Amino acid sequence: LAKTTQPISMDSYEGQEVNITCSHNNIATNDYITWYQQFPSQGPRFIIQGYKTKVTNEVASLFIPADRKSSTLSLPRVSLSDTAVYYCLVGEIGYQKVTFGTGTKLQVIP
Amino acid sequence: EAGVTQFPSHSVIEKGQTVTLRCDPISGHDNLYWYRRVMGKEIKFLLHFVKESKQDESGMPNNRFLAERTGGTYSTLKVQPAELEDSGVYFCASSQGKGWDTGELFFGEGSRLTVL
Repeated sequence: LAKTTQPISMDSYEGQEVNITCSHNNIATNDYITWYQQFPSQGPRFIIQGYKTKVTNEVASLFIPADRKSSTLSLPRVSLSDTAVYYCLVGEIGYQKVTFGTGTKLQVIP
Repeated sequence: EAGVTQFPSHSVIEKGQTVTLRCDPISGHDNLYWYRRVMGKEIKFLLHFVKESKQDESGMPNNRFLAERTGGTYSTLKVQPAELEDSGVYFCASSQGKGWDTGELFFGEGSRLTVL
């Protein structure tokens, strides 16, 4: 499984756009990139998944460059409720033997 | 639709005792996974069921842990005898069968285990 590296923590003011970058230099051809969000005392929650270029849903956007060695999760206009830990995972779809890594703790400030 | 439910939400036991955690996956989900986070560490895979069969149990730490999924519905994870290092949060997740678009995992809220 491709190892991922993310910043440990980030702070942002409400209303700003937040970009969290994940490095995955040894990503394999069949690997997808998936992001999960976790609030305290809850299980992780799926946010978005992509293979290449750009993916957008109602919650976030995911930008993946051509070499796929990194990806950036973009959260538009964050609110206090977006304060959470965000995990980047890399692996084949359906291959769920993953370790979540340390994740990025996002703190949104009023 | 009900999500993944786990019981108990918190269990406090003494070293050497037995604890059984239960997970009810989303109805119709063939895949069921157990993960755990021990104090200060990352969330790690324990095992994976496809229906009632163990697909991969390579993450189980030792033979004090026993997971079952009778009839391919709910699953139990028994720790016997519990040790101090077993303290942590145990997450259950489920997903639809392979071949679905995203393989999205749906997690429960976790069962916190404290071993004294």
